[in-house]
Amino acid sequence: SQQGEEDPQALSIQEGENATMNCSYKTSINNLQWYRQNSGRGLVHLILIRSNEREKHSGRLRVTLDTSKKSSSLLITASRAADTASYFCATAPATALIFGKGTTLSVSS
Amino acid sequence: NAGVMQNPRHLVRRRGQEARLRCSPMKGHSHVYWYRQLPEEGLKFMVYLQKENIIDESGMPKERFSAEFPKEGPSILRIQQVVRGDSAAYFCASSSDVVDEQYFGPGTRLTVT
Repeated sequence: SQQGEEDPQALSIQEGENATMNCSYKTSINNLQWYRQNSGRGLVHLILIRSNEREKHSGRLRVTLDTSKKSSSLLITASRAADTASYFCATAPATALIFGKGTTLSVSS
Repeated sequence: NAGVMQNPRHLVRRRGQEARLRCSPMKGHSHVYWYRQLPEEGLKFMVYLQKENIIDESGMPKERFSAEFPKEGPSILRIQQVVRGDSAAYFCASSSDVVDEQYFGPGTRLTVT
């Protein structure tokens, strides 16, 4: 069964705007990770947030985690055309990562 | 520090042949994971290995698929008697600890004709 579900499935914005993606999951976790995948390429690790953390920043990325609601959000500020990609959340209830189907972000210039 | 290496990047096999996919983890990483990604889908966990041990193979099909991570050399994902449904991108990831970030290789895209 799907552990992580991203929302929305697709998002189109203009350069300079902020992009927010949400992820919901079902079981308790050790950590939650966000990845980016450009079309036909491998995954790039963006950020890991542990179950005892509520918010984390990395450059233009801001991730929040609400374990009571079993949800996380990824905010990309001041988006660029190069941010166009699919974004996946992955939860780690145990050893394996469980991925959602991703949010496809399109940033137009 | 080289990242996770996978080879080949593209592999074409006819139905019934064997596919061998290789993964060299990042230096210092002893945990290796294999995932499969079907078109327009997220990644699905297959197997988790440490040196010479399979720790979790709950995502691996029971038949035709096997994985190893020998003491020396890369981790190998082996698919025997491939079928068209095995066509997918296979990603390997490694981590220094089981609860740390997993870093992914570029993937092997398997096409079964």
